[in-house]
Amino acid sequence: GENVEQHPSTLSVQEGDSAVIKCTYSDSASNYFPWYKQELGKRPQLIIDIRSNVGEKKDQRIAVTLNKTAKHFSLHITETQPEDSAVYFCAAFLTGGGNKLTFGTGTQLKVEL
Amino acid sequence: KAGVTQTPRYLIKTRGQQVTLSCSPISGHRSVSWYQQTPGQGLQFLFEYFSETQRNKGNFPGRFSGRQFSNSRSEMNVSTLELGDSALYLCASSLAGETMSGELFFGEGSRLTVL
Repeated sequence: GENVEQHPSTLSVQEGDSAVIKCTYSDSASNYFPWYKQELGKRPQLIIDIRSNVGEKKDQRIAVTLNKTAKHFSLHITETQPEDSAVYFCAAFLTGGGNKLTFGTGTQLKVEL
Repeated sequence: KAGVTQTPRYLIKTRGQQVTLSCSPISGHRSVSWYQQTPGQGLQFLFEYFSETQRNKGNFPGRFSGRQFSNSRSEMNVSTLELGDSALYLCASSLAGETMSGELFFGEGSRLTVL
């Protein structure tokens, strides 16, 4: 089955700095890689996703890159703001019947003033 | 459009009991997934249902089971509860069809405490 590793588990940055979270996956057949943000006490929500036929995708201050050869993908947040503080989860989807996302263990991002 | 609704939001059980959690997906969504969230373990996949059929199952013991009804509402059941079952159980619905992946819309979860 799929296995997703996520690093770091905690990340502290100063407001305005950039934050990078990295994930690796094990199954080369995975073809969809979403990122979810979960604020304290709230439900996870999709912030950006990328499919395996694309190398990079940007949406304002967030971007995701995918390296299929190395089987890793990363989330980049630029100009971080206090409201970016949350737990971020990467995930990988293995096609072949069904909607089974395998999640990483999460990164607690803290943006300090 | 109403979001994913989970009931109950909080519950306390004792070891050995069983529990049933309910999830109503977003209207039109036929895929419903269940995840267990615990500190340090992230989101662990339990199972996924599509059109009343279980399509995928995670690595959980047989004490964890689920079902989906014709209106796409889903329930999950945990029998013979153990202390380690204490967790936030999240349900997510998706518009994804037979083979395509799609955005998961999560409910607020059911927080289960086993004493």
